[in-house]
Amino acid sequence: QSALTQPPSASGSLGQSVTISCTGTSSDVGGYNYVSWYQQHPGKAPKLIICEVSKRPSGVPDRFSGSKSGNTASLTVSGVQAEDEADYYCCSYAGNNNYVFGTGTTVTVL
Amino acid sequence: EVQLVESGGGLVQPGGSLRLSCAGSGFTFSSYWMTWVRQAPGKGLEWVANIKQDGSEKTYVDSVKGRFTISRDNAKNSLYLQMDSLRAEDTAVYYCARRSSGSYVYWGQGTLVTVSS
Repeated sequence: QSALTQPPSASGSLGQSVTISCTGTSSDVGGYNYVSWYQQHPGKAPKLIICEVSKRPSGVPDRFSGSKSGNTASLTVSGVQAEDEADYYCCSYAGNNNYVFGTGTTVTVL
Repeated sequence: EVQLVESGGGLVQPGGSLRLSCAGSGFTFSSYWMTWVRQAPGKGLEWVANIKQDGSEKTYVDSVKGRFTISRDNAKNSLYLQMDSLRAEDTAVYYCARRSSGSYVYWGQGTLVTVSS
């Protein structure tokens, strides 16, 4: 049950793209298509922005996209906006009804 | 409107106990797996435990096994987390969340648990 590995920080200029990686193992990220991504602003509850690797829930801007290759999932924000400055967490199913979150990435918009 | 409202947090001494509650409304509570997630001050999210719709299956993160017990009362649309033998490292905001297709769309506002002497 080790946390998934994310870079501590990522940044991009307004309107540029930012990509965050989430690395796990074949027992979690690589083994299932149940990777989700959450955005969290300070003092707020997390908000789901990507589910099942690449599906965007209703109301989430289409500049957010997700993908997976092997044991690594990725979140891309295409055309980052000021309001996208937040912490981002991945989460994966890890078998036997267990889940694991990533270590979190702080996104800064320059 | 789906709502999840946690309660029961507070200050407790190391070795003490606390019971958190989460009241659900706006959806059929008995149809969903429910989960507790915590976040220590300034730290990341940690998945803690979840429970099947009828309470027949429960799973926990290793760090709380044997100390925390998740339960639910579908008649009261409520989720619980009984926390015993609390440690300083259990200090966190505890969120309840509704699980659906492997993700968590709905979250409560969180309740703060502080373990300190």
